Amino acid sequence: AQSVTQLGSHVSVSEGALVLLRCNYSSSVPPYLFWYVQYPNQGLQLLLKYTSAATLVKGINGFEAEFKKSETSFHLTKPSAHMSDAAEYFCAVTSYNQGGKLIFGQGTELSVKP
Amino acid sequence: DADVTQTPRNRITKTGKRIMLECSQTKGHDRMYWYRQDPGLGLRLIYYSFDVKDINKGEISDGYSVSRQAQAKFSLSLESAIPNQTALYFCATSVGQGSTDTQYFGPGTRLTVL
Repeated sequence: AQSVTQLGSHVSVSEGALVLLRCNYSSSVPPYLFWYVQYPNQGLQLLLKYTSAATLVKGINGFEAEFKKSETSFHLTKPSAHMSDAAEYFCAVTSYNQGGKLIFGQGTELSVKP
Repeated sequence: DADVTQTPRNRITKTGKRIMLECSQTKGHDRMYWYRQDPGLGLRLIYYSFDVKDINKGEISDGYSVSRQAQAKFSLSLESAIPNQTALYFCATSVGQGSTDTQYFGPGTRLTVL
């Protein structure tokens, strides 16, 4: 079985500060990993995904994530937070034998202070 | 116009009532999914469909049923609503090429069962 754990249900940063959202996964087969973002009153949209090519994945809006197999992690970072980054972020995992079914983490709400 | 639409956007109903949530997509995707989102639990898969004749149970299908009326339409029914089905429900689609597909989400339906 696969699972995802997001450390910290709420993260607060100042505008211009580093954003770090943590995601650890469990999978008995090679995983595919995703980060989705949910802005208030909207559906989720894809930020980036790891599909077993490059371990450092760049996404939209300046976000990136690094796949670390030894640490079973896929943390999301952005060098400088912007007010518009305030949202809820979800990490998700699947694999070749799951038919595209995603297992989501609990979500991390990011607040950005001026 | 949005690629994935959900109706209604908000619904309040009473215990025991039958409720249908509808999802339509103009993306031409084969795969469609229904999730529910609860605070602190992330998104959990209810049902998914890989084409009109292929419907599968997800992680939490008890108390729900679905109908794939056409490639573009996927409805979720609550046969006899109960208060713990109060949640935010999302429909999603993917093109159907494989496990690394991006899923595209609708705006959600907020359901309250009194």
